[in-house]
Amino acid sequence: AQKITQTQPGMFVQEKEAVTLDCTYDTSDPSYGLFWYKQPSSGEMIFLIYQGSYDQQNATEGRYSLNFQKARKSANLVISASQLGDSAMYFCAMREEGDDMRFGAGTRLTVKP
Amino acid sequence: GAGVSQSPRYKVAKRGQDVALRCDPISGHVSLFWYQQALGQGPEFLTYFQNEAQLDKSGLPSDRFFAERPEGSVSTLKIQRTQQEDSAVYLCASSPSAGVPNTEAFFGQGTRLTVV
Repeated sequence: AQKITQTQPGMFVQEKEAVTLDCTYDTSDPSYGLFWYKQPSSGEMIFLIYQGSYDQQNATEGRYSLNFQKARKSANLVISASQLGDSAMYFCAMREEGDDMRFGAGTRLTVKP
Repeated sequence: GAGVSQSPRYKVAKRGQDVALRCDPISGHVSLFWYQQALGQGPEFLTYFQNEAQLDKSGLPSDRFFAERPEGSVSTLKIQRTQQEDSAVYLCASSPSAGVPNTEAFFGQGTRLTVV
């Protein structure tokens, strides 16, 4: 069963504006972690941000923040002040207690100058 | 090395040929994952090791796929009698934790397999 859903195959954002990439997940475990990765055209997977299921506050890492809504099972990534170098594929992932990491289908973000 | 290393980076195989893909995880990392990523798709889970134990191989698409990590460090993904649909990038990742969900996975550069 698909545990991670990313409903936006592609998104466009104007340079210097903010953008939100959606992610919903499905789990019955109380303990889990949510991750966002960036994959530029070079193919490497770059870790961006992590949110734990017990964390009370939304995670932030520089221009990246995670809008965590536990009751809705959503973990949207917000990128502020978009830059041309942010153009890439973005993947949401979840890791459950004692388990492996599963990924969503991804969102291709294009930043327009 | 400091990161996850995969070799070869590129592999062209004739249909029916066997291939072996190698992953050197970060030293001391307990967890190791293999993923298959088709062009324009997300990484699809193949298999998961904690040390030398293969805890989950539910993602292996057929019995032609086999993975091992005999000493709990280097891992090899073997594909027998390759077929064109096996063409993809194969990603390896490692994580320092043993099943704890709060640590990210560190990825290698991947092996791009093309079956002709």
